[in-house]
Amino acid sequence: QSVLTQPPSASGTPGQRVTISCSGGTSNIGRHAVNWYQQVPGTAPKFLMNNNNQRSSGVPDRFSDSSSGTSASLAINGLQSEDEAHYYCAAWDDRLNAVVFGGGTKVTVL
Amino acid sequence: EVQMLESGGGLVQPGGSLRLSCAASGFTLSSYWMHWVRQPPGKGLVWVSRINSDGSSTSYADSVKGRFTISRDNSKKTLYLQLNNLRVEDTAVYYCVGDPPQSGYAFAIWGQGTMVNVSS
Repeated sequence: QSVLTQPPSASGTPGQRVTISCSGGTSNIGRHAVNWYQQVPGTAPKFLMNNNNQRSSGVPDRFSDSSSGTSASLAINGLQSEDEAHYYCAAWDDRLNAVVFGGGTKVTVL
Repeated sequence: EVQMLESGGGLVQPGGSLRLSCAASGFTLSSYWMHWVRQPPGKGLVWVSRINSDGSSTSYADSVKGRFTISRDNSKKTLYLQLNNLRVEDTAVYYCVGDPPQSGYAFAIWGQGTMVNVSS
């Protein structure tokens, strides 16, 4: 059971908008930056962006993030086949004194 | 080119030990907090440990506390993870991760990972 909760899967056809939610609590998302990672199967994860306005160079503009209170989300506008991957949210947790990850969301392009 | 290269993984029996290394190049390692993150086969990412830029402060996930030790040698541009008293549930790909200054734990740089397999 992950501290941050993500839906296990999401899907869409090319060009559609897909949103991935990440739910936490006051000790993590409520106080700290939420970071998003993309992992294509068989490769290492890659940092996408966070809600401190940090964004990895080369990340397409169709990726965006938002947050409110103890929840955050990642949106992909105009889904493309190369976006098929697992996506993870993460944040520091004051209560656990640890970085906590969501369980990951597998995005499938139909 | 920014790069981190892990080594030291392998097959080990329960109760055994391994030392993982991570050689950094293309960026100023001494400015970065560094972490180890692991991923059990077919599962998600799990944070293991972190060390601050000069090595004076460390922290660990409860599941590895007392068994794993993180360290660094900035002069050699290398991060280490000593794994002792290994358990079957420690089986995973271990990634070394670079956390830039004042980034809010944004894991910006990832190694390719090294596999640790704990089995009898």
